[in-house]
Amino acid sequence: DTGVSQDPRHKITKRGQNVTFRCDPISEHNRLYWYRQTLGQGPEFLTYFQNEAQLEKSRLLSDRFSAERPKGSFSTLEIQRTEQGDSAMYLCASSLGSNTQYFGPGTRLTVL
Amino acid sequence: AQKVTQAQTEISVVEKEDVTLDCVYETRDTTYYLFWYKQPPSGELVFLIRRNSFDEQNEISGRYSWNFQKSTSSFNFTITASQVVDSAVYFCALSEHFASSASKIIFGSGTRLSIRP
Repeated sequence: DTGVSQDPRHKITKRGQNVTFRCDPISEHNRLYWYRQTLGQGPEFLTYFQNEAQLEKSRLLSDRFSAERPKGSFSTLEIQRTEQGDSAMYLCASSLGSNTQYFGPGTRLTVL
Repeated sequence: AQKVTQAQTEISVVEKEDVTLDCVYETRDTTYYLFWYKQPPSGELVFLIRRNSFDEQNEISGRYSWNFQKSTSSFNFTITASQVVDSAVYFCALSEHFASSASKIIFGSGTRLSIRP
């Protein structure tokens, strides 16, 4: 049974550059979530998809952030014009309906 | 507002000791879920348990046990006979429902547990 996978695992970028992360959920899971975790804190919700529809977005998700799940399978999270404050671990989770959310290994972003 | 409080920032015990991680929550929902996740140094969040708010029975899984007390809004986690491999950050968490029937997870700030050999 393959778990949630994320790519890349680490990303270092310069301020002002755009970055894109990918998440592949557990295959039969119809719900997909993105969270962000800063050092010393618990993860915070960013956005949620049911199949291909983005149904919820946090106020944390500024205009520079965009997420897609084009065919209801994998998802991408893009950050435009990165800022140092975007440095964090970006976590993806998936669930089958309202069941437990299972998390991927995360993408650690460092903005220089 | 939904909130999860883990007052213990760090705990350090000697191997084989029992240790309890405290968790207190606040919610306006009448139906909710509580969770514990483990985050080892590798960074991946590992699911440990999910508890429905209607089920107040305590649960035991090997060396792990959970004590849910709705009257005090607490969901504490005990590790019996701790081992070095238990060293990790442990997060208590609470579901918050959206209007769309799905829910997000509200995490506490975590308790870093160190088990010394």
